[in-house]
Amino acid sequence: GAGVSQSPRYKVAKRGQDVALRCDPISGHVSLFWYQQALGQGPEFLTYFQNEAQLDKSGLPSDRFFAERPEGSVSTLKIQRTQQEDSAVYLCASSLGTGRGELFFGEGSRLTVL
Amino acid sequence: ILNVEQSPQSLHVQEGDSTNFTCSFPSSNFYALHWYRWETAKSPEALFVMTLNGDEKKKGRISATLNTKEGYSYLYIKGSQPEDSATYLCAHTGAQKLVFGQGTRLTINP
Repeated sequence: GAGVSQSPRYKVAKRGQDVALRCDPISGHVSLFWYQQALGQGPEFLTYFQNEAQLDKSGLPSDRFFAERPEGSVSTLKIQRTQQEDSAVYLCASSLGTGRGELFFGEGSRLTVL
Repeated sequence: ILNVEQSPQSLHVQEGDSTNFTCSFPSSNFYALHWYRWETAKSPEALFVMTLNGDEKKKGRISATLNTKEGYSYLYIKGSQPEDSATYLCAHTGAQKLVFGQGTRLTINP
């Protein structure tokens, strides 16, 4: 597609459930980022891939969060045993390369944990 | 400055007025400074990517300046219109990950 696609757009999970959020970046984009945005806050960095390599995962809040990009294109963010504090919008963005290229964002996946 | 800080957090401006807001960032290990506009129910969209100290960029009625030595950038909007209502995000990078500020939420009153 022409832009970054994320699915699902909305997800309601019961506390303790596992969820998987998918990001389909723009074709040919090397870099892929995941951000978490809580209400009223700016996007918080979670993790970054360059092709299939996860170069930085320092922002993942706990070992319940896991991200992968096995073939260097589609990425999945998995959250195990969801907690209420995981409720947020999860944004995916891709770019052609590092730092000086603009990010292209998806519309986000809004996760609500009950 | 250890993090990216934006001020004010929110701003109400009368249609037709000009306005500006600030992004402060770590001046060490600077690589680039990004500005994004995020309208409700849409994706954030890039406005500017700035890399050089003293850089000034312009897109229509919106412009931005950059001071990497002191670690700040200003975003200016001239003659505000209702469609300018959005959250404006800045992000700093030291080469890989972008660290975002909390944003300035701008509301234009008709």
